[in-house]
Amino acid sequence: DVVMTQSPLSLSVTLGQPASFSCKSSQSLGNSDGNTYLSWFQQRPGQSPRRLIYKVSNRDSGVPDRFSGTGSGTDFTLTISRVEAEDVGVYYCMQGTYWPRTFGQGTNVEIK
Amino acid sequence: EVRLVESGGGLVQPGGSLRLSCAASGFSFSSYWMTWVRQAPGKGLEWVATINQGASEKYYVDSVKGRFTISRDNTKNSLFLQINSLRADDTAMYYCARGMSSNDYWGQGTLVTVSS
Repeated sequence: DVVMTQSPLSLSVTLGQPASFSCKSSQSLGNSDGNTYLSWFQQRPGQSPRRLIYKVSNRDSGVPDRFSGTGSGTDFTLTISRVEAEDVGVYYCMQGTYWPRTFGQGTNVEIK
Repeated sequence: EVRLVESGGGLVQPGGSLRLSCAASGFSFSSYWMTWVRQAPGKGLEWVATINQGASEKYYVDSVKGRFTISRDNTKNSLFLQINSLRADDTAMYYCARGMSSNDYWGQGTLVTVSS
């Protein structure tokens, strides 16, 4: 199985400051169709997960442009350019290239 | 508006069975792969199973193979997860989600608790 490793596991950030989370996969996520199926999800306290980013860098409709995804191969990053209070929650990466699909452990974001 | 509404969870004894349902609306259900993802209390997300549009392809995480069965009824816009031989470590919120390589819409979840 492809192991997804996120870091840090917890992050305390100041409002208005940037934040970055790392996600590393144990195998390259490039697919034979030319796509790289790496997604990012946000789970606010008490809520269902919400997809933010798909195929590494594509932002979902309604997702603020302060969220951005970058990376390739085995190394990926989610960046929040200016953290707002509503960004508190857990962020997961997920690979959709191989079966079984696998998630990272999550990065818990709190406000200082 | 895309909506996914899960039901069927509850308290069940070890070794018991449940059938989870997911009612879909707001999109052409028969055109999409569909997925179940679970989350144990206080833990992370775990992919469980995925089914293609015509139910000819099904994929499962190893820990549920032989015990869980994913299915769908395109005439009723519904997704199902039959879960048998339940164990304590199957206790989780079970989410229905749309998609195969990524999941753009998620339901609110249905809670399965396995306990004697």
